[in-house]
Amino acid sequence: EVQLVQSGAEVKKPGESLTISCKGSGNNFANNWIGWVRQVPGKGLEWMGIIYLDDSDTRYSPSLQGQVTISADKSISTAYLHWGSLKASDSAIYYCARLREEDTSGVFDYWGPGTLVTVSS
Amino acid sequence: DFVMTQSPDSLAVSLGERATINCKSSQSVLYPSSNNNYLAWYQQKPGQPPKLLIYWASTRESGVPARFSGSGSGTDFTLTISSLQAEDVAVYYCQQYFNSPWTFGQGTKVEIK
Repeated sequence: EVQLVQSGAEVKKPGESLTISCKGSGNNFANNWIGWVRQVPGKGLEWMGIIYLDDSDTRYSPSLQGQVTISADKSISTAYLHWGSLKASDSAIYYCARLREEDTSGVFDYWGPGTLVTVSS
Repeated sequence: DFVMTQSPDSLAVSLGERATINCKSSQSVLYPSSNNNYLAWYQQKPGQPPKLLIYWASTRESGVPARFSGSGSGTDFTLTISSLQAEDVAVYYCQQYFNSPWTFGQGTKVEIK
């Protein structure tokens, strides 16, 4: 069974850097696209970007390009989301999710449990 | 960006009754050459990640109960829960994947009346 395991909750100060992770298991994950979706608690969902684990081909939402970096290590089936300088507005739950393998069109069929990031001075 | 607008924002339905959620896209998500609508529906229960229910506007994901169905084409779509069960209490989101950035509706909260 496909599983996505995300790193634990983080509390950071504005200006600090942060990397959170998402490790896939139960499948040949090198052939998968993994995406990141943001959700401010109590609010809606925002797609951030996707990465192909095998070659790290990455696509970003235009509104977030330059704000975060998505990367991957295919040898350990893990995708990462990195901030160089956090802002209070980055406080949210960050989900990783897998694109449907069958067509990779943009539908997420497996989701991680989410990583809560809190940025506060 | 494609703007996805759901209606209503919330609804309360009696157990066993039908729940209908609408999703309108600011532009068509129908790809003419394939006749596929690039529209998905997700269910999110409190404290949980979203769960895929429907893709290609009307294809149910494996394991999703038959009471969930999707319909519509172009810019107007509907998610129907034919007979609401207690476990269906959740927020439901539509998502277009026709064009980047992929965008979600604001969500519709379904409760028991």
